[in-house]
Amino acid sequence: KQEVTQIPAALSVPEGENLVLNCSFTDSAIYNLQWFRQDPGKGLTSLLLIQSSQREQTSGRLNASLDKSSGRSTLYIAASQPGDSATYLCAVSLYGNNRLAFGKGNQVVVIP
Amino acid sequence: DVKVTQSSRYLVKRTGEKVFLECVQDMDHENMFWYRQDPGLGLRLIYFSYDVKMKEKGDIPEGYSVSREKKERFSLILESASTNQTSMYLCASSPDRGFNQPQHFGDGTRLSIL
Repeated sequence: KQEVTQIPAALSVPEGENLVLNCSFTDSAIYNLQWFRQDPGKGLTSLLLIQSSQREQTSGRLNASLDKSSGRSTLYIAASQPGDSATYLCAVSLYGNNRLAFGKGNQVVVIP
Repeated sequence: DVKVTQSSRYLVKRTGEKVFLECVQDMDHENMFWYRQDPGLGLRLIYFSYDVKMKEKGDIPEGYSVSREKKERFSLILESASTNQTSMYLCASSPDRGFNQPQHFGDGTRLSIL
């Protein structure tokens, strides 16, 4: 069974610092990996999707990398802002179907 | 923009009631999903559907059923609500059976069973 782990569960950083969030998964037979953002009491917003054949994806200040063989992904957020405060969830798409296995998330607070 | 709409943001029901949670998407997506989210447990898949009248069990289907009579609407049914079904319920959709499309989520329904 695919297990997705995100450590630490919570972290705080000063505004302006770069954020680095890690995600690991146990089964490398994935179709893609997705990063989501969740604000308190809200649904999830898709940030980046990396296909299994890709190494990274970028969108603005966000960059996500994927090392499928070692079962790891990293989300980088450059020059963090208070508006980046949220929970970030990593999910892997299981090969052969549309199901996602989610990590429990990194709760991020950016301190002004 | 894709819009996934869940009928209620907050819902309070009593033990034993039959509860319906409704989800509608406006982008003609084939795939729809129901998750529940609990502190410390993360998101868990309850049921999903690839097409009208199609449904498949997720990881925790016990105590739930679903209905997909129209492509845009996916309903989650709690046959006889129990207190352990108090949770945040999230609906999502994605296009076709191509696997490299992100899932789009609604804002969730926070359900309390008393």
